[in-house]
Amino acid sequence: KNEVEQSPQNLTAQEGEFITINCSYSVGISALHWLQQHPGGGIVSLFMLSSGKKKHGRLIATINIQEKHSSLHITASHPRDSAVYICAVNSGGSNYKLTFGKGTLLTVNP
Amino acid sequence: DVKVTQSSRYLVKRTGEKVFLECVQDMDHENMFWYRQDPGLGLRLIYFSYDVKMKEKGDIPEGYSVSREKKERFSLILESASTNQTSMYLCASSPRFNYGYTFGSGTRLTVV
Repeated sequence: KNEVEQSPQNLTAQEGEFITINCSYSVGISALHWLQQHPGGGIVSLFMLSSGKKKHGRLIATINIQEKHSSLHITASHPRDSAVYICAVNSGGSNYKLTFGKGTLLTVNP
Repeated sequence: DVKVTQSSRYLVKRTGEKVFLECVQDMDHENMFWYRQDPGLGLRLIYFSYDVKMKEKGDIPEGYSVSREKKERFSLILESASTNQTSMYLCASSPRFNYGYTFGSGTRLTVV
């Protein structure tokens, strides 16, 4: 079993819809990261969080440490949000190492 | 704007060649990382460095080496390229552990 599981693997939405991507992890962590990767492109760091909730524009990330679960929400989705979204964690035992989920491919249709 | 720059976006090399992938950051970050990304496997850590001339093996170091002679530059070396090293290679840096990461645009390497 992977230490970091994301769901869904693929998600198709219509422009304007509210989107949720989930991430569950099985290890103790010091931080959780949400990353975005456009097709053929590099990776952009969206959020790093260790508790609570963060918001940046239309993006919101939440984490529940007790349940070992995080969600990434996109409000009023737009075709330019189409990308792979990757959850990654810094495990508590080895704080240099990021453990990655397999990613969620989001397609937003106009 | 802070940057991690990878020297090549696309690279085609022959089996057996020695290949150098270069990564430069302009943020004075302590830590630098090399990952490879493959379909179905996600991102995997090859090597990381936490200081000049210091390096640690990641999950898949076999067939690779690294060099960090200056703080801003971290090089990944494929000693003798093989077809199973065809992949997307991503460099990243962070100011210290448990801080945010900045990634480069990636180098798509094809070994023929």
